[in-house]
Amino acid sequence: DAGVIQSPRHEVTEMGQEVTLRCKPISGHNSLFWYRQTMMRGLELLIYFNNNVPIDDSGMPEDRFSAKMPNASFSTLKIQPSEPRDSAVYFCASSPGGFPIRNTEAFFGQGTRLTVV
Amino acid sequence: QKEVEQDPGPLSVPEGAIVSLNCTYSNSAFQYFMWYRQYSRKGPELLMYTYSSGNKEDGRFTAQVDKSSKYISLFIRDSQPSDSATYLCAMRASNTGNQFYFGTGTSLTVIP
Repeated sequence: DAGVIQSPRHEVTEMGQEVTLRCKPISGHNSLFWYRQTMMRGLELLIYFNNNVPIDDSGMPEDRFSAKMPNASFSTLKIQPSEPRDSAVYFCASSPGGFPIRNTEAFFGQGTRLTVV
Repeated sequence: QKEVEQDPGPLSVPEGAIVSLNCTYSNSAFQYFMWYRQYSRKGPELLMYTYSSGNKEDGRFTAQVDKSSKYISLFIRDSQPSDSATYLCAMRASNTGNQFYFGTGTSLTVIP
């Protein structure tokens, strides 16, 4: 398996533009997570899905952020309109999940480095 | 108060030194404890995993969990320049679904 695949790897956009980040989780994984990482705040959970259903989106900073998971093999994180303070590295991760927890590892993608100017 | 607290460092040690990295947490329901290693411009990767209290050793790495003190540690013996990375602790409870709680990460540099 190629692991978690994120695109694009780098994105530079102007303030006010719409940004869409994409993620393909590992096949067979039931849980998908979107994180944002900055020097100041570390790794922050934005939202996570279980079996394509959003379970906890309390980490989504504002209504400008939205995430979807239309099927088990694809998810998007959209920022509209983007602002300079959204500049960060955005990671997608997937986990086999299941309950009770049998496998605790989250597999991360390489991340998307977003710069909003 | 954050669920998981971790000293961000940075930490700089000479090659061969013993490194100690630590996290504290507040949620007594946490049962699964992990250490992730993140190299520059890469995603985090699982390094060690421990269930409940106790020690786990893997080569030069030892993970310790003290649930009574809500304190976990990662020890690196005979540290190498290739160990230079950011180390993040992560935790999970069995009753909160699949959510992971991460520390902010400690940046480690091992100087040759």
